Amino acid sequence: SQKIEQNSEALNIQEGKTATLTCNYTNYSPAYLQWYRQDPGRGPVFLLLIRENEKEKRKERLKVTFDTTLKQSLFHITASQPADSATYLCALENNNAGNMLTFGGGTRLMVKP
Amino acid sequence: DAGITQSPRHKVTETGTPVTLRCHQTENHRYMYWYRQDPGHGLRLIHYSYGVKDTDKGEVSDGYSVSRSKTEDFLLTLESATSSQTSVYFCAISEMDRVQPQHFGDGTRLSIL
Repeated sequence: SQKIEQNSEALNIQEGKTATLTCNYTNYSPAYLQWYRQDPGRGPVFLLLIRENEKEKRKERLKVTFDTTLKQSLFHITASQPADSATYLCALENNNAGNMLTFGGGTRLMVKP
Repeated sequence: DAGITQSPRHKVTETGTPVTLRCHQTENHRYMYWYRQDPGHGLRLIHYSYGVKDTDKGEVSDGYSVSRSKTEDFLLTLESATSSQTSVYFCAISEMDRVQPQHFGDGTRLSIL
């Protein structure tokens, strides 16, 4: 069966450290993968998109990697700040659903001062 | 922020009643989506639209219908609400191509008693 797995347990890190979140998928062959941030009571906000032929993408303190062999994407936040505390969702193209996005359950990140 | 307005923001209703949720956009985007978000399931696609009067089913479409008579409005209807449809509903939009990032509204919290 198809699965998108993100760590359902919260990730707690100290301010200034690098946060690394994982998105693993099974039985998908996505041409691209996206990461979103969601704050409590708000809708998700798009952060980054990475295509299958891109190994890495950066935007300010954010870095995303995409390994189609391992079927995994890693999302890094360097020099993390308490304001980075949120839930982060990965989403990938679902070839079996009209190429619509399918979302993982998200990982909650808590950055402590 | 993308101009997406969801209404109502909160609603409590009884089992068996019809419910309509509205999504209004000011971005003139072609694609519009309805998702539900539940603990343990993440965001799941209900229906989507790729143009006026052009709609298709998503992963969890049973019990829901949609309509899009104008580019800017996408309606989600629960013909006869059930308690299992208690959820937070998000509308999203994207530009021409499905690979484009999606922009979300802030959701409607629907409780069915």
